[in-house]
Amino acid sequence: DAGITQSPRHKVTETGTPVTLRCHQTENHRYMYWYRQDPGHGLRLIHYSYGVKDTDKGEVSDGYSVSRSKTEDFLLTLESATSSQTSVYFCAISESAGAHSNYGYTFGSGTRLTVV
Amino acid sequence: QKEVEQNSGPLSVPEGAIASLNCTYSDRGSQSFFWYRQYSGKSPELIMSIYSNGDKEDGRFTAQLNKASQYVSLLIRDSQPSDSATYLCAVNSGNTPLVFGKGTRLSVIA
Repeated sequence: DAGITQSPRHKVTETGTPVTLRCHQTENHRYMYWYRQDPGHGLRLIHYSYGVKDTDKGEVSDGYSVSRSKTEDFLLTLESATSSQTSVYFCAISESAGAHSNYGYTFGSGTRLTVV
Repeated sequence: QKEVEQNSGPLSVPEGAIASLNCTYSDRGSQSFFWYRQYSGKSPELIMSIYSNGDKEDGRFTAQLNKASQYVSLLIRDSQPSDSATYLCAVNSGNTPLVFGKGTRLSVIA
C-alpha cells in the first residue's frame, strides 16, 4: 500500500508474552501512527511518531510501547499481551500533520493479532 | 475529548441512487476533514478531503462541509454495488493526529 508494509500479517500469541509489530515505509514520511480497530470502537490511536526518537501517546496507549530508531521503521510492542489486546492493528503514515495537510494518511494492510 | 460521530448503519440504497453519509464533530477548531472507504477485511483508503465550507466534487463523490453546524457529509451519486463498504469520517485539528468516527456501513443493493 503505497510504500508501507506491516509485519506480521497475522499472529496468534499467548497471554503474558511480549509481541512486537513492525511498520516499514519507503516514502520517507515524517509522521507514523499506530491504530487499533475493534468492532463498535472504530479506529483508536495507540501511539504516534513525529520524527526519529520522537513519539507520543494516543488515547489507548496503556500496555503498549513504541520505538522509532530510523525514519522508515516504527515498532509497536505489547509488553505483556492480554486478551483485550486482540484486535486488528493498522499503521499509517503522513507527509504532514499540519492543519491543512492535503494528504491525509496512508494505511498499511494491517496485522490481525489474537491473544489466547 | 474530541469526538467524531457517525451513524453506524447499515445504510441501504438501491443501485443508481444517491447515498448520503453524515458526520458531526465536537471540536469547533477542526480544520481538515477526510473521508475513507474501508472494504471488509481491508485497510482504510482515502477518497476525499475538504477544508473549506461548501461542496467539493470528485467524480461520483461530493464532500460537503458546514463548519458553523460542525457537520461534514459525503454524497455518492449513481451508487454501485462496488461502493458497498464502511465509510470513515476523520477530523484534524491543528498538529494533532486524526480522530476517526466509528464508520457507517453502506450497502448498495443491485
